[in-house]
Amino acid sequence: QSVLTQPPSMSGAPGQRVTISCTGSSSNIGAGYDVHWYQQLPGTAPKLLIYGNNNRPSGVPDRFSGSKSGASASLAIIGLQAEDEADYYCQSYDSTLTAHMVFGGGTKLTVL
Amino acid sequence: DVQLLESGGGLVQPGGSLRLSCAASGFTFGSFALSWVRQAPGKGLEWVATISGGGGTTYYADSVRGQFSISRDNSKNTLYLQMNSLRAEDTALYYCAKERFTGRNPEIDSWGQGTLVTVSS
Repeated sequence: QSVLTQPPSMSGAPGQRVTISCTGSSSNIGAGYDVHWYQQLPGTAPKLLIYGNNNRPSGVPDRFSGSKSGASASLAIIGLQAEDEADYYCQSYDSTLTAHMVFGGGTKLTVL
Repeated sequence: DVQLLESGGGLVQPGGSLRLSCAASGFTFGSFALSWVRQAPGKGLEWVATISGGGGTTYYADSVRGQFSISRDNSKNTLYLQMNSLRAEDTALYYCAKERFTGRNPEIDSWGQGTLVTVSS
């Protein structure tokens, strides 16, 4: 059971907008720690998608965006495409744990 | 380009040991913290351990503390994970990962392809 809660699954039709949530608490996201997002395509290693809450690494399409408010963060994908079907993970830090970093449980996104 | 190439995975019996290696290139190796992150079959990502750039500081997940040991050889650009007293629940794909700090807490900006560890009799 992760301290960062994500919906296990979501789906959307091509062209739609989807938002994946990452809910934390006052000891992690709510304490001001950064949230990072990773995309894991089927059978591949994860890839950094969003860092520092809302920054995209070079090469990541601007269809992907991140935001943070209070103890929660969100990953938004607009203009959903078939190749966006993947698992998405949020990651942050929690001050009450000895862990160096914590991951959300992951969200499997299905493009209908 | 950053490259992280893991090796050393395989099938091991419960109670056995294994040492994973990660050969790195494409960046100034000793300037960055490195981590191991694992993913059990069909499950999510689990952070396992991190070592600082100079090797003097290490962090471990509660689930592996006292059982696994992370180390690095900066002269060989190689990261290691010594895994002892292996259990079935340690079965996973183990990723080598490079960290960076752009804000208050680190993110992983590069991942290896992973090496599979299977603990079974």
